[in-house]
Amino acid sequence: ETGVTQTPRHLVMGMTNKKSLKCEQHLGHNAMYWYKQSAKKPLELMFVYNFKEQTENNSVPSRFSPECPNSSHLFLHLHTLQPEDSALYLCASSQLRGGNAEAFFGQGTRLTVV
Amino acid sequence: DQQVKQNSPSLSVQEGRISILNCDYTNSMFDYFLWYKKYPAEGPTFLISISSIKDKNEDGRFTVFLNKSAKHLSLHIVPSQPGDSAVYFCAASATSGTYKYIFGTGTRLKVLA
Repeated sequence: ETGVTQTPRHLVMGMTNKKSLKCEQHLGHNAMYWYKQSAKKPLELMFVYNFKEQTENNSVPSRFSPECPNSSHLFLHLHTLQPEDSALYLCASSQLRGGNAEAFFGQGTRLTVV
Repeated sequence: DQQVKQNSPSLSVQEGRISILNCDYTNSMFDYFLWYKKYPAEGPTFLISISSIKDKNEDGRFTVFLNKSAKHLSLHIVPSQPGDSAVYFCAASATSGTYKYIFGTGTRLKVLA
């Protein structure tokens, strides 16, 4: 248990569906991240939120829409996805304190787009 | 452009021996480095980190070495145990600018009993 919880763990959706991934951290951290892991690729950074403000969008297609209502919760809204978007989506959090800090990851959501 | 590289996709080591996993980076702005361990269908678990002001950090069986001039770091696991079998990711971050972690492609370690 890392203190970062992601739901659902598995999701199968059609290309015309709308779904949302949820992430909650219980660590009191002030930064949250979405990463994507596809087969044989490094973890790809998608979005970064610092103190609820988005500070990084790594050229992610608009069919992925993040939302950070507070420092503890992060959502990834999905709509009109493509089969190549099937991947493991990982949420992480860290504590920004002017120095170095490690990121803690959730268990991930395995997404399959059919 | 791959800023963090792990050139060995896999490594097999006998139980009790040393495992050495390598990582190279290209961005000289990186000043904090981390190693994560990942089992299938789970999120990465933080193992050990090192700041650029150090060249070595040790935690139990795990030691990370940093060679800034070569832009190279390595993770040593000794003695290796079968439970260490997993995929290991190297990550780097720069404390200036947007705080984010850039990951390598991972090395799959298999410790043979």
